[in-house]
Amino acid sequence: GQQLNQSPQSMFIQEGEDVSMNCTSSSIFNTWLWYKQDPGEGPVLLIALYKAGELTSNGRLTAQFGITRKDSFLNISASIPSDVGIYFCAGQLTNNNDMRFGAGTRLTVKP
Amino acid sequence: EAQVTQNPRYLITVTGKKLTVTCSQNMNHEYMSWYRQDPGLGLRQIYYSMNVEVTDKGDVPEGYKVSRKEKRNFPLILESPSPNQTSLYFCASSLFAVDTQYFGPGTRLTVL
Repeated sequence: GQQLNQSPQSMFIQEGEDVSMNCTSSSIFNTWLWYKQDPGEGPVLLIALYKAGELTSNGRLTAQFGITRKDSFLNISASIPSDVGIYFCAGQLTNNNDMRFGAGTRLTVKP
Repeated sequence: EAQVTQNPRYLITVTGKKLTVTCSQNMNHEYMSWYRQDPGLGLRQIYYSMNVEVTDKGDVPEGYKVSRKEKRNFPLILESPSPNQTSLYFCASSLFAVDTQYFGPGTRLTVL
């Protein structure tokens, strides 16, 4: 199936640093979503993007829906220890109602 | 409290023994789906349901069945489990297909 290419796979950063991760695909998506997953729990939605070019913030998080509708990025500013977790991008394809997820970015924040 | 519940949370079984993982939501959501999560592969959608009696295949439906007889429940059925179905399974629901999905806590399945 059509998968999303998410990068980087993992990141090790110092507390206070900014973080950037992105997802790309060869397919066009209607919707881009960013989730965070903590150990032993299900993913929790961080930001949802519905229109090409849309830039949305949620506290220290900012995400954008690429103009081509084939990519999206997530930025986290001034990282803190509780930002640790796995971040997933997800998208809904234009021709059906199923969802595709990236493989995840594992974020480690060193105090 | 609005939530998605899954049972069981952990299951160890043997090849070929039919099993069902239940999923229930109390938010009157129309859209429900099942995912499996494997290391390095993220979440892959198995099946989804737009509404009662409407189900569709996702990315990896082989070896799975689902049913949607009531709005709140969306069980995942493995008629003849195999070791390659060992995985972490998540159920999710949302008001509509293009909407915030709420995930259950996950079911860790091991097939020996």
